[in-house]
Amino acid sequence: DAKTTQPPSMDCAEGRAANLPCNHSTISGNEYVYWYRQIHSQGPQYIIHGLKNNETNEMASLIITEDRKSSTLILPHATLRDTAVYYCIVRVGLNFGNEKLTFGTGTRLTIIP
Amino acid sequence: GAGVSQSPSNKVTEKGKDVELRCDPISGHTALYWYRQRLGQGLEFLIYFQGNSAPDKSGLPSDRFSAERTGESVSTLTIQRTQQEDSAVYLCASSLGQGWNTEAFFGQGTRLTVV
Repeated sequence: DAKTTQPPSMDCAEGRAANLPCNHSTISGNEYVYWYRQIHSQGPQYIIHGLKNNETNEMASLIITEDRKSSTLILPHATLRDTAVYYCIVRVGLNFGNEKLTFGTGTRLTIIP
Repeated sequence: GAGVSQSPSNKVTEKGKDVELRCDPISGHTALYWYRQRLGQGLEFLIYFQGNSAPDKSGLPSDRFSAERTGESVSTLTIQRTQQEDSAVYLCASSLGQGWNTEAFFGQGTRLTVV
């Protein structure tokens, strides 16, 4: 079962920041938070991941709360090409156990012109 | 290759026939995953290979489904006696292996239609 909870859908105006929330209240100390997105008819694409510190790359920023029970993916200047389903996943990073990625239902983000 | 390659990209088969789906992972990636995605649904985990370890088959929906991988190379997902409910996009992904904190790279998928 997925360990995350996300809103099923969100809209965001083009050019604005899109903030996608994710709850992962049962996250373990060795689990990372990963974000992927799936644009229509394509395979999922990695966006960003983090453990406890906030992270930023060329695509997005990831803000993780201090208790690590929730996080927010931020797309700073959303474009129409950012319309996709966004998946928040928790995954064991350094544990030599099962590493399978378990996807939930994600958030369908629609960027409005 | 540059990315994960899957073939065929589309497959239409008659109910009851067997099908084989192929995945070529990124060179050097020891971990390989298969997922199924039905129309309008999320990704459903099927099977996970990691190096020479026994694969995690916990997601295979029935004994009609099987997958093989030789070493760190190509994987084949086989569906026997296909049913209409098997119609879906089958996605393959690979990543740098166990213990590495890296992302998985997905292929474009094989769209299977059982008629």
